[in-house]
Formats: sequence, structure tokens, C-alpha cells
Amino acid sequence: SQQGEEDPQALSIQEGENATMNCSYKTSINNLQWYRQNSGRGLVHLILIRSNEREKHSGRLRVTLDTSKKSSSLLITASRAADTASYFCAPRETSGSRLTFGEGTQLTVNP
Amino acid sequence: GAVVSQHPSWVICKSGTSVKIECRSLDFQATTMFWYRQFPKQSLMLMATSNEGSKATYEQGVEKDKFLINHASLTLSTLTVTSAHPEDSSFYICSARDIGGEGEQYFGPGTRLTVT
Repeated sequence: SQQGEEDPQALSIQEGENATMNCSYKTSINNLQWYRQNSGRGLVHLILIRSNEREKHSGRLRVTLDTSKKSSSLLITASRAADTASYFCAPRETSGSRLTFGEGTQLTVNP
Repeated sequence: GAVVSQHPSWVICKSGTSVKIECRSLDFQATTMFWYRQFPKQSLMLMATSNEGSKATYEQGVEKDKFLINHASLTLSTLTVTSAHPEDSSFYICSARDIGGEGEQYFGPGTRLTVT
């Protein structure tokens, strides 16, 4: 299975600002998922966007998907200190079932 | 919903001993579970895919005789680290995929293994 590559590697912002993280992948996908990991914990599933969807919202999260560019973005609006975590994207291939993870984006939200 | 538990949350063992880690899906059935390990400040590395009632599929470079996986029911998978060495010290995380989902994985809280 392929892993997504997140960009930037690290992002530091002030509380209240928006945070945007990007993900690129290489092959055809069924869907793309975003996860969050707080330090020393397991991952938490945030949102799933299907290959035929272009944008999806969940609370303060907005995800976009551009299959022609093989890229996705995760926007967190009005960030909070509690949003500080690592964020990973996971493209789910049409032919595969496993999810593998890249290095993630380490987001730090300063109070 | 979609809660996955892991036990123990941390364990310290001596070199040469074996350690078993349990992963349970509490409120859904999971025909497939996954085991990952994570070193400090690094990403998760997929070790193996555990399928209920059949043998696990290991990723390249992962020793199946050292990391024994058993998936005896739709809600339980176990990982046994045999003859543990200090280099096996790591953070082990399991995840489970809901039978009825679209491939979302629900992760346990992880197990911190320290081998002395």
C-alpha cells in the first residue's frame, strides 16, 4: 500500500488562527482519511473523503481532495491549543486494504 | 462508538522473556486488525495485518517467529513479542477495521514496551 506524504513537516501557529496541512499520494484511491495523534497515544480517525468527493466538512475541519493532482488538504479553523498534535493522511488504494502512514505534520498551537 | 482497547498500556520486561499485548474492539466486530510500532518522533510502521481465523500477513522485514500474532475472534487480536531484546523496546499500537465501514481504522491507545 502507499503512504501519503504530508507537508509541511511542522507548523506553529497562534490560537485562533487557521492551520492548513497538505497531503500528496501516488496511485488511485477509494478514499483518503485523516488522523490525529497526540503524543504517546494512538491515532484518532478525523475524517474520510471519498474519491468522488471534492470537499467535506466536520465541525472545524475542512478537507479537500483533488484526484487529478493526487492531493488533499486539511484545514483546521479557529485553532485551539488542544489541536496540538501530529496529523497524518492515509490514502486507501482501490486495490489494497492496509493503511500506511508518512511522517505527518506536527502542529503546535500556541496559547 | 468504535472503541479499541489495548492491554497492558505499558510493560517492562527482562531480555529473553516474552510479552503478550491484547487488542480488543469493544463495540464493533473487526475481521481485520493491524499492528504497528512507533519509535520516538517517528511515524507508525505497519508490522502485520491480522485476519480473524487465518494467519497474519507480515510486512517485509518483520520476523513472524518473533512477533506472533493471533486473531482468534472478531474482537480480539494478540501480539506476542518472543525472546524480547532491548531493541524491541517501542510503542506498539493496534488498530481495527469495522466490518461495515469504508476502511476507517480505529486505534488503540498503544502499549509502551521497555525491555531491560
